[in-house]
Order: sequence, then C-alpha cells, then structure tokens
Amino acid sequence: GENVEQHPSTLSVQEGDSAVIKCTYSDSASNYFPWYKQELGKRPQLIIDIRSNVGEKKDQRIAVTLNKTAKHFSLHITETQPEDSAVYFCAASESGGAGKSTFGDGTTLTVKP
Amino acid sequence: KAGVTQTPRYLIKTRGQQVTLSCSPISGHRSVSWYQQTPGQGLQFLFEYFSETQRNKGNFPGRFSGRQFSNSRSEMNVSTLELGDSALYLCASSLSRFEQYFGPGTRLTVT
Repeated sequence: GENVEQHPSTLSVQEGDSAVIKCTYSDSASNYFPWYKQELGKRPQLIIDIRSNVGEKKDQRIAVTLNKTAKHFSLHITETQPEDSAVYFCAASESGGAGKSTFGDGTTLTVKP
Repeated sequence: KAGVTQTPRYLIKTRGQQVTLSCSPISGHRSVSWYQQTPGQGLQFLFEYFSETQRNKGNFPGRFSGRQFSNSRSEMNVSTLELGDSALYLCASSLSRFEQYFGPGTRLTVT
C-alpha cells in the first residue's frame, strides 16, 4: 500500500519568514495530494491540493509543488503569521481519489511573533 | 451549507463493550470516509462508503465496521473495545472523489 513520509516533524519560524514542509510517497499510482491544517482541538481543514497532472499550484501565501518523477511534494507558506501555527498534514490518494487517503505524520509549525 | 457533523462528540466506554458513532455528511455529498487519529499513529484510514457501498477499506481488524444509509449518513461500529481503540474518530465527506471535508470528530476513551 501507499506510504507517506513527512518532514520535518516540527518547524519553528519567525513571523514573516517562509516555511517549507516536504512529503514523499511510495505508490506511483497516487494522483491526488491534499494538505490539511489542524489547529489544536479542531478538525483538519483542507488548505490546498494538487493533482498529478499539475506541477505547482498557488493560493495567496500558500503554494504546493509536485515532482512525480521523484515522488515528492512540498508545501510552501510565505510571509508566515502567528495564526499559521498549527499541525500540517500531507496526504496521498491512490487512483480511487481522496476517499482513501494515506496521511503523513504531521508537522507542527510554530510561528513566533 | 451545514458542515459535517458527528455524534456523539465524546464517549467513554469500558473494555469489551461496543460503540456506534454517527456521521452526517454535507448535504449532497455521497462519499463518507472514516479515519482514526491517535498521537502515536497519526491519521489512519478506516473505510470509505459511497452510495451505501463500502468502496475502500483500511488495515483495521474486523471489529471495526461501518455502513451508510440511503441519505448518505454513515455509522461506524467498534465491537469488543480494547484500550488501544482510544482515539479521535474523524469522518470526512466528499462531493467528488477529491476534496474532503472533515467533521469535528468523536473522542472515544476506553477504560
């Protein structure tokens, strides 16, 4: 089955700096890669996603890149703000779609004011 | 539109008992997936239902089961509870086979 590795497990940045979180996956059949943000005590929320036919996607301060050959994808957050502090999860879905997602272990991002 | 709802939000059970959790998807969403979230194992896929049929299943023992009703509401059942079943159980609904929207979860504690 699919295996997703996520790095780093914790990340601390100063407000205004950029943050990058990286994930690798094992199953070449995976074709959908969402990122979720989970604040303490709350549900995971989809913040951005990318499909295998796209190399990069941007939404304001957040961007995701995908390298299918190397089987890795990354989340980039620019101009970080304290409210970006949360746990971020990457996920990969096999050809069946997001209904069966394999998640990375999460990255705890702390943005210091 | 109302979001995904889950009931109950908190539950305390004793080892050996069984439990049923409920999930109501966003109106119009026909796919419902269930995940177990624990500090040690992260988010793990349990199963996915679409139009009352189980479409995918994760690597959990047969004590974990689920079903989906004609109105897309879903239930999951865990029989013969073990201490290790203590976790946050999340359901997520999807309109397409891509974007998933999570519910607030049910926090299950097994004593």
